[in-house]
Amino acid sequence: QQQVKQSPQSLIVQKGGISIINCAYENTAFDYFPWYQQFPGKGPALLIAIRPDVSEKKEGRFTISFNKSAKQFSLHIMDSQPGDSATYFCAASNPSGTYKYIFGTGTRLKVLA
Amino acid sequence: SAVISQKPSRDICQRGTSLTIQCQVDSQVTMMFWYRQQPGQSLTLIATANQGSEATYESGFVIDKFPISRPNLTFSTLTVSNMSPEDSSIYLCSVEEGDTQYFGPGTRLTVL
Repeated sequence: QQQVKQSPQSLIVQKGGISIINCAYENTAFDYFPWYQQFPGKGPALLIAIRPDVSEKKEGRFTISFNKSAKQFSLHIMDSQPGDSATYFCAASNPSGTYKYIFGTGTRLKVLA
Repeated sequence: SAVISQKPSRDICQRGTSLTIQCQVDSQVTMMFWYRQQPGQSLTLIATANQGSEATYESGFVIDKFPISRPNLTFSTLTVSNMSPEDSSIYLCSVEEGDTQYFGPGTRLTVL
């Protein structure tokens, strides 16, 4: 119940294309879903986050889509750029409760120039 | 968001030795966390460190192997004791602001 399943493991996208990364969770107590971007040799950096009271959140080229009934959420990167090449982690947590951050397994994105 | 620094940024150590990693935050925070990220893997929480109390360790991690200090609201240390090659990982500290965790740059540890 504490797992967050992330797919795909790796993704190659052409410049200008759309990158889509999916995550699924089981514990309905989770109520905060952040995405992190990690470049080699760096710590993860918060990209965008969503709560289950909205179905979509957009910040620039990054959009989170959230499906509460399916217990799934996804990250869409529009107009993908070579500079977006990084590893992306989804996470789920219940900050007001007892559940700490549970991270997905990560997706290594490569955007071809 | 909080600015987090870690020392050292990387180190190469011999088997059987210990290494202490420092984490400094530019603001006072209640909760600090230590994570391990093995090569090409996701983040695994080692322990939660609150100022003034003993750290809380996750399953599979013990205080004798990973002692943690939290002397004040801006600083924490993690020691990796009696190291083996299996301890080669990136060690990350993070802090919680609101509902979000922010991460330091990490310490890349290689054990020979």
